[in-house]
Amino acid sequence: NAGVTQTPKFQVLKTGQSMTLQCAQDMNHNSMYWYRQDPGMGLRLIYYSASEGTTDKGEVPNGYNVSRLNKREFSLRLESAAPSQTSVYFCASSEASRPDRGSPLHFGNGTRLTVT
Amino acid sequence: GDSVTQMEGPVTLSEEAFLTINCTYTATGYPSLFWYVQYPGEGLQLLLKATKADDKGSNKGFEATYRKETTSFHLEKGSVQVSDSAVYFCALISVFSGGYNKLIFGAGTRLAVHP
Repeated sequence: NAGVTQTPKFQVLKTGQSMTLQCAQDMNHNSMYWYRQDPGMGLRLIYYSASEGTTDKGEVPNGYNVSRLNKREFSLRLESAAPSQTSVYFCASSEASRPDRGSPLHFGNGTRLTVT
Repeated sequence: GDSVTQMEGPVTLSEEAFLTINCTYTATGYPSLFWYVQYPGEGLQLLLKATKADDKGSNKGFEATYRKETTSFHLEKGSVQVSDSAVYFCALISVFSGGYNKLIFGAGTRLAVHP
């Protein structure tokens, strides 16, 4: 049982390039999330998907787009990368359709992105 | 708005020392409180949780008590091991009557345990 799988693990982009971060979960979870982790700032929510076919903005959505391709997969796209998007990106999933005290988030191992 | 404040790290301890990582929160609604741990090169894992005042969450020798009067959820362990070296995140879920839930993380505290 792999849990939440993210690809790639590392990526270096030049300013203005585009890329898509992939995330897949095999736990039949309903909701999926994209966070970014920056030093001293904890995790900040970029986008989330409460269920297949729905997506919503989080705290820091500017510069990103998402696709909930099916129940398993939730991708994050950077259309025109900027140095401010240098960060570690985490995908997470949960059985509940929203953050719930009884349904913790399960995280992938992260993608370390550097934009030069 | 809702927020979580953790003590700044890094916290450096010798093996078998006592650990406390402070966490305080500000929230409207009726929050549940969590501690997540992130080992090097990995994602976050739920360590423990408490869903109402005076609850004590515990796991792997770690404990934290939900103190509503001091709005705190401090993480403690009586005797740390080198394998406990990680980053620890305090978090809360605020539950509102309208059904909107929000998960908020603190900035994280890095713990380094030396033999």
